[in-house]
Amino acid sequence: SYELTQPPSVSVSPGQTASITCSGDRLGEKYASWYQQKPGQSPVVVIYQDNRRPPGSPERFSGSNSGNTATLTISGTQAMDEADYYCQAWDSSTAVFGGGTKLTVL
Amino acid sequence: QLQLQESGPGLVKPSETLSLTCTVSGASISSSEYYWGWIRQPPGKGLEWIGAVYYNGRTFYNPSLKSRVTISLDTSNNQFYLQLSSVTAADTDVYYCARHGRPSSAAGWFDPWGQGTLVTVSS
Repeated sequence: SYELTQPPSVSVSPGQTASITCSGDRLGEKYASWYQQKPGQSPVVVIYQDNRRPPGSPERFSGSNSGNTATLTISGTQAMDEADYYCQAWDSSTAVFGGGTKLTVL
Repeated sequence: QLQLQESGPGLVKPSETLSLTCTVSGASISSSEYYWGWIRQPPGKGLEWIGAVYYNGRTFYNPSLKSRVTISLDTSNNQFYLQLSSVTAADTDVYYCARHGRPSSAAGWFDPWGQGTLVTVSS
C-alpha cells in the first residue's frame, strides 16, 4: 500500500521559516494537500493542489511538490501556527494521509 | 455556509456494529461535483481514511477496512452514513466526515470537516 512519510516533529523560532516534508513514491505525480490540526479541533486545509491556498489560509503558507517530496513552508512563523500538520494524496482511488508533524514554535 | 455534523452512539460494545450519521447543511449531497467521506483518528494519533460515497451511491473504501465497512447515503435527508462491523478496542477513535472532490484529481482535497465524534469500543 502507498505510504506518506513525515518527520514527527519540527521546531522553529517565531518569525523564522518552517519547512515540513512529506515523502512518497512518485508523489510529485500526484496532487498533495496539507491540513492543520490544533488540539481539540478538526483538521483544516491550508494547501491544496500542491501549492494553492484556500480562502482564509494565510499568505505565509505555501507548498511545493516535486519528485518524491511535497513540502509545506510557513514563512514568518507565528505562535498561532503551532499545530499538527498532515499531508494527503490519493493513490488508486484511496486517500492516504501522512503520519503527521507536530510543529513547535519556540 | 456548508457544514457537516457527525452523530451516533459514543459507546459501542466489542463485536457489534458502529453506526454513524453525517448530516450535511448548506449544500446538497446530490451534487455530482463532490464526494462524501469518513476519516478516523485515534486519540493523540494520525488520520486514517475510511472511505467515501458519491451521489449515485458509488463507494470507495480503504482496502485495510473494506471487509468491515459500509458507507451509504440518503439524498432525501441530505445525510450519509458509516457502518463498521465487528468492532474491537482498536476502533476507538474520533470519527470525522468531510467533503472532497473526485479522487486522484486536482480537486481531491478534504474540506470542510465535521467537528468529529468520539466512539469508544468497550463492554
